[in-house]
Amino acid sequence: DTAVSQTPKYLVTQMGNDKSIKCEQNLGHDTMYWYKQDSKKFLKIMFSYNNKELIINETVPNRFSPKSPDKAHLNLHINSLELGDSAVYFCASSQGGRSSKETQYFGPGTRLLVL
Amino acid sequence: TQLLEQSPQFLSIQEGENLTVYCNSSSVFSSLQWYRQEPGEGPVLLVTVVTGGEVKKLKRLTFQFGDARKDSSLHITAAQPGDTGLYLCAALQGAQKLVFGQGTRLTINP
Repeated sequence: DTAVSQTPKYLVTQMGNDKSIKCEQNLGHDTMYWYKQDSKKFLKIMFSYNNKELIINETVPNRFSPKSPDKAHLNLHINSLELGDSAVYFCASSQGGRSSKETQYFGPGTRLLVL
Repeated sequence: TQLLEQSPQFLSIQEGENLTVYCNSSSVFSSLQWYRQEPGEGPVLLVTVVTGGEVKKLKRLTFQFGDARKDSSLHITAAQPGDTGLYLCAALQGAQKLVFGQGTRLTINP
């Protein structure tokens, strides 16, 4: 059973297009996240939702819009894709408590290439 | 400037050797985590250290949290090709915001 799943795994598209990445977790967690990992492998948080409510919104262009239809799903929609958006996008989830020991579980990533 | 600085960024050694990678910061953390990421996969949590000076062992991997809770180290004994991967340290900044170091890319050659 896949705990955190993302689709698609690979996404190749042209500059200017709009695309969506979907994420689902079956762990019963309350909190979900989107991270971006650049070509140098640096992993940075973009957004966090707790029970469908936006909690963390880092300095991300407003072309990126997360949507959480329910607490098991957090999708990422990207408008007007740019070359610099090429990266690996990871979804993650956690129970959502305030413990400093809390574990985040990551999906397998979506490799986005903008041409 | 990075909140967490990892060193070295790249390390390539022979099977059977020992190695240590470091995660340093000028900030104090309530806890620090180590993740391993294999090619084509997402990061997977290895350990969380909470108490200053704490040492945790996971088979051949030994993790230590600095006394002042500003830094951590990961020591691997008798490295094996299966240890190859990207090792990331991470710390919570606020309630749920996890901040990562830039990673150490480790290659163990047979």
